[in-house]
Amino acid sequence: SYELTQPLSVSVALGQTARITCGGNNIESKNVHWYQQKPGQAPVLVIYRDTNRPSGIPERFSGSNSGNTATLTISRAQAGDEAAYYCQVWAFSTVVFGGGTMLTVL
Amino acid sequence: QVTLRESGPALVKPTQTLTLTCTFSGFSLSTSGMCVGWIRQPPGKALEWLARIDWDDDKYYSTSLKTRLTISKDTSKDQVVLTMTNMDPVDTATYYCARILGSELDYWGQGTLVTVSS
Repeated sequence: SYELTQPLSVSVALGQTARITCGGNNIESKNVHWYQQKPGQAPVLVIYRDTNRPSGIPERFSGSNSGNTATLTISRAQAGDEAAYYCQVWAFSTVVFGGGTMLTVL
Repeated sequence: QVTLRESGPALVKPTQTLTLTCTFSGFSLSTSGMCVGWIRQPPGKALEWLARIDWDDDKYYSTSLKTRLTISKDTSKDQVVLTMTNMDPVDTATYYCARILGSELDYWGQGTLVTVSS
């Protein structure tokens, strides 16, 4: 099976840049997607296929994927970005989610 | 406008079979490349993928749960149904359905909380 590893939590000062990592074996060979989930709400796709933003997602959200690590970057972090973030890939005919990272904006 | 909505019982007893329905609009599961999946999330825990069904009726299941899951579609009703047998209290979770385009889940339903308790 394929596993994705995320840090449990990341903190960022208001207005600064947050980086959330997602580790997986040779993850650069896979399409990585990122979801934001606020308390009591369904997840929302914020980055798809490594680097693409769906319509309506601010340009402050960006993604990269290289080697064994994919990264979600949130620039100029706002209070409203405080949420859980999950990475996801399709591997061995299954959807695989990372364990999720809680982003705190200080 | 793509929307999905989950429906089913809020409470099931241990050993019972859970049946959930995902009713969607704004796309057709007859269209090449369209897929619908089910995902659950126990309270305070991470997302867990359950199953996926494709426009061509290909089906994929979570390795750990595949013996308990069955996914099916009714294209004429724009619905996808998930059944999970032998429910246990550890299956208490919010269950989501989502559209899958490519390999990303681009639209999600609001979720339905299912509690397993006697």
